[in-house]
Amino acid sequence: DTEVTQTPKHLVMGMTNKKSLKCEQHMGHRAMYWYKQKAKKPPELMFVYSYEKLSINESVPSRFSPECPNSSLLNLHLHALQPEDSALYLCASSQPDGRAFFGQGTRLTVV
Amino acid sequence: GQNIDQPTEMTATEGAIVQINCTYQTSGFNGLFWYQQHAGEAPTFLSYNVLDGLEEKGRFSSFLSRSKGYSYLLLKELQMKDSASYLCAVRDPSSGTYKYIFGTGTRLKVLA
Repeated sequence: DTEVTQTPKHLVMGMTNKKSLKCEQHMGHRAMYWYKQKAKKPPELMFVYSYEKLSINESVPSRFSPECPNSSLLNLHLHALQPEDSALYLCASSQPDGRAFFGQGTRLTVV
Repeated sequence: GQNIDQPTEMTATEGAIVQINCTYQTSGFNGLFWYQQHAGEAPTFLSYNVLDGLEEKGRFSSFLSRSKGYSYLLLKELQMKDSASYLCAVRDPSSGTYKYIFGTGTRLKVLA
C-alpha cells in the first residue's frame, strides 16, 4: 500500500464555517506534511509532523490548525477562512530518508 | 534564503528529448527529487538524486551536481501524456526535520 488518502476531494465552505481536512497513510511513515497549492504555482509547505509532533510551522495563520491524532492520521482544521485561502491542499508522508508520497488533495473553495 | 529555479514553460515535439533544468540554493541539502503533476492532480514521484551523477529510470533520467547547485530531468521519446508540470524539490534537513521545498515548476507542452 503506497497510498495517501485525503478526504474530502472537494470542499466549499463559508467564511464563518468550521471544517476539517483528513489525511491517512498506512505505509508506516513517521513524517507527514500539509502543503497548499494555488493554480499554476508549486506546492508551498505549511506544516510538518515528525513522529506525531509538530516540528515545522511555516508561519501559517492560526485559522489553519493541524492535528496528528496518531502515526497514520493527519488533520487540518479550518476556521474563519478567507476567499484567498481557496486552493488545493495536499497531504504527503515520507520516511526520514525517503521520497514523499502525495495524496490526491482537497480542492477547497471559500465563499 | 531558499531559492529553487526552473524555466516556467517548455515546448517539445512528440518523440523528441527534452531537458528541464533546476538550480537551487538552500539552507541544507539531503537530496533532490523530481515530481510530475498533471493539472488538478497530485504530484507523482519520478526520480531523485542524493549523490552527484546520473540516475536512469526508463524514459526518465535525472542528473545532479551538488557543487554547482544544479540538476536536470531528461525525458526521452516524449509522449503526449508527458504534457504536465515538472517540479524539482530539495529535501532540506536544516530545520531539524526533513522538509521538501519545491521549485517554481516547469510546464511542459508536448506537440504532435
